[in-house]
Amino acid sequence: EPEVTQTPSHQVTQMGQEVILRCVPISNHLYFYWYRQILGQKVEFLVSFYNNEISEKSEIFDDQFSVERPDGSNFTLKIRSTKLEDSAMYFCASSITRYDVQYFGPGTRLTVT
Amino acid sequence: AQRVTQPEKLLSVFKGAPVELKCNYSYSGSPELFWYVQYSRQRLQLLLRHISRESIKGFTADLNKGETSFHLKKPFAQEEDSAMYYCALTTGGGNKLTFGTGTQLKVEL
Repeated sequence: EPEVTQTPSHQVTQMGQEVILRCVPISNHLYFYWYRQILGQKVEFLVSFYNNEISEKSEIFDDQFSVERPDGSNFTLKIRSTKLEDSAMYFCASSITRYDVQYFGPGTRLTVT
Repeated sequence: AQRVTQPEKLLSVFKGAPVELKCNYSYSGSPELFWYVQYSRQRLQLLLRHISRESIKGFTADLNKGETSFHLKKPFAQEEDSAMYYCALTTGGGNKLTFGTGTQLKVEL
């Protein structure tokens, strides 16, 4: 069964550094998402992406964040200048249509020191 | 703004006992409700959604619009049900999932 994959599984970075989290959505899916979960807190929506454009973003998704689909398979989340409070588990998800079930990747644990 | 509340962080039951994981939501329109489950060291996966009206792994959930609830139930808990359960919703035809804080279900022998 096809699955969403994410790399790396764990990323450690220093405050102020740029980080790129990578996701490979399920191949026939058209909608892509990023969520994050700070330790002990709820899973929070960051952004949704369709047809090479952001379709919706949350207040968390400020100018430090960007998303891109650089080729036909990868979907990336870039944090330009990481802060301590960006430490979290970041989940990628994809769905066939906007109304369909979202399938989640295993997550990337980002630790900012 | 929409909100999902799961009042229990941890629910411990004995094998064979009934399970009810509570979920309440606040949203003025008609949301779509979901239960996602995360087994140990595995990814978040959909357990069920209210529009499907299915029973998955013996679990059911009924949307009660009057009480704004979507509680998850199973008549007889199994050891393999031990996991983290998240209630979530989408609104207005959108696809942004709003999650609750989750309930850790522990089924003891």
